Amino acid sequence: GAVVSQHPSRVICKSGTSVKIECRSLDFQATTMFWYRQFPKKSLMLMATSNEGSKATYEQGVEKDKFLINHASLTLSTLTVTSAHPEDSSFYICSGVRGRSTDTQYFGPGTRLTVL
Amino acid sequence: SQKIEQNSEALNIQEGKTATLTCNYTNYSPAYLQWYRQDPGRGPVFLLLIRENEKEKRKERLKVTFDTTLKQSLFHITASQPADSATYLCALSLRNTGFQKLVFGTGTRLLVSP
Repeated sequence: GAVVSQHPSRVICKSGTSVKIECRSLDFQATTMFWYRQFPKKSLMLMATSNEGSKATYEQGVEKDKFLINHASLTLSTLTVTSAHPEDSSFYICSGVRGRSTDTQYFGPGTRLTVL
Repeated sequence: SQKIEQNSEALNIQEGKTATLTCNYTNYSPAYLQWYRQDPGRGPVFLLLIRENEKEKRKERLKVTFDTTLKQSLFHITASQPADSATYLCALSLRNTGFQKLVFGTGTRLLVSP
């Protein structure tokens, strides 16, 4: 159990367009989901914490108007990169916390975004 | 400043040997420390969690130690196999975030040769 999926796995878009990435918990309810970004050979950097039914909490330096997060249900959170630019190209990974457990995050397989 | 350090150089070992990876941190007081495995182009996969009041945790061929005085965790893989080749990340669960937020190290790449 505790499987998280992401869609799409890869996306290439033109500069200035918006891209939506979906994160789903397939076999558990995730009251909290997290969005990370990872640059090549770098660590995962937390972008925001998303709680079902409420506004996301963004980390310092992450533009909330650029990275729109919606957590409409206990199994789905979406990240929309608005007006994407080449510097937004990265590996985006989501994770979910099962129920009220705060111990372990279950990660999705990641989405590779390339902005041309 | 706050730092989590893992050896950035790849660790090369022979199949059957024990791999030992190190995670050192400064200016953090984590409640938990977790180890994840990440394969290229994939998300991290949870391996083990150890709490601040635990010295050692084991799971099959894996063993983790946690020394809050030294601010260090060691991750051991015994009887290593080529399939264990991956990047291993340590992550700290921060106390003042309800333990939910994770801060990751940069990871150490392990290469196990046949």
